[in-house]
Amino acid sequence: DTAVSQTPKYLVTQMGNDKSIKCEQNLGHDTMYWYKQDSKKFLKIMFSYNNKELIINETVPNRFSPKSPDKAHLNLHINSLELGDSAVYFCASSPRGQTGEAFFGQGTRLTVV
Amino acid sequence: AQSVTQLGSHVSVSEGALVLLRCNYSSSVPPYLFWYVQYPNQGLQLLLKYTSAATLVKGINGFEADFKKSETSFHLTKPSAHMSDAAEYFCAVSDKNTGNQFYFGTGTSLTVIP
Repeated sequence: DTAVSQTPKYLVTQMGNDKSIKCEQNLGHDTMYWYKQDSKKFLKIMFSYNNKELIINETVPNRFSPKSPDKAHLNLHINSLELGDSAVYFCASSPRGQTGEAFFGQGTRLTVV
Repeated sequence: AQSVTQLGSHVSVSEGALVLLRCNYSSSVPPYLFWYVQYPNQGLQLLLKYTSAATLVKGINGFEADFKKSETSFHLTKPSAHMSDAAEYFCAVSDKNTGNQFYFGTGTSLTVIP
């Protein structure tokens, strides 16, 4: 029973397209995240979101937007895709409080051609 | 601001040898520290975490980490490396200044030589 699930696992698309990645967690966690992992394995937080607050990493282009229909879902929408958006995107969730670890999905490998 | 530094982007050890992966943090308040492992084409899996209880933390797969406040370090060790330990390892920090955000180090790729 997958705790944090992302779909799709692989996504190949052309420049300029708009795409979405879905994320769902069944852990009852309050906070969800999106991370971007580049080709050098660097993990950069993009967004963190709970039912009250969205924290955006200021370096993330506004072409990226999180959408949360409910507490268990945090989808990532990307408009006007660029070559540099190619990366692996990870969704994660954590319980309330800083002592709780983050649980990660399996990642979505996005390739923009 | 808090940050995490992992010294050594690549570490190679022989099978059966000691594994030592270094992590130093900077934080203005006592941090919560984590080690994650990432196997190829997979997500991140928690190895262990420090949350201000015992300073020597034991995790899964025989790994442990020692929190040393005076050195602002949280190095990861395993007495005897196994081939299956080959993976990418990430140190992460969170504290009340970051809310619920986790900040990761740049990762250390561990190679185990047979």
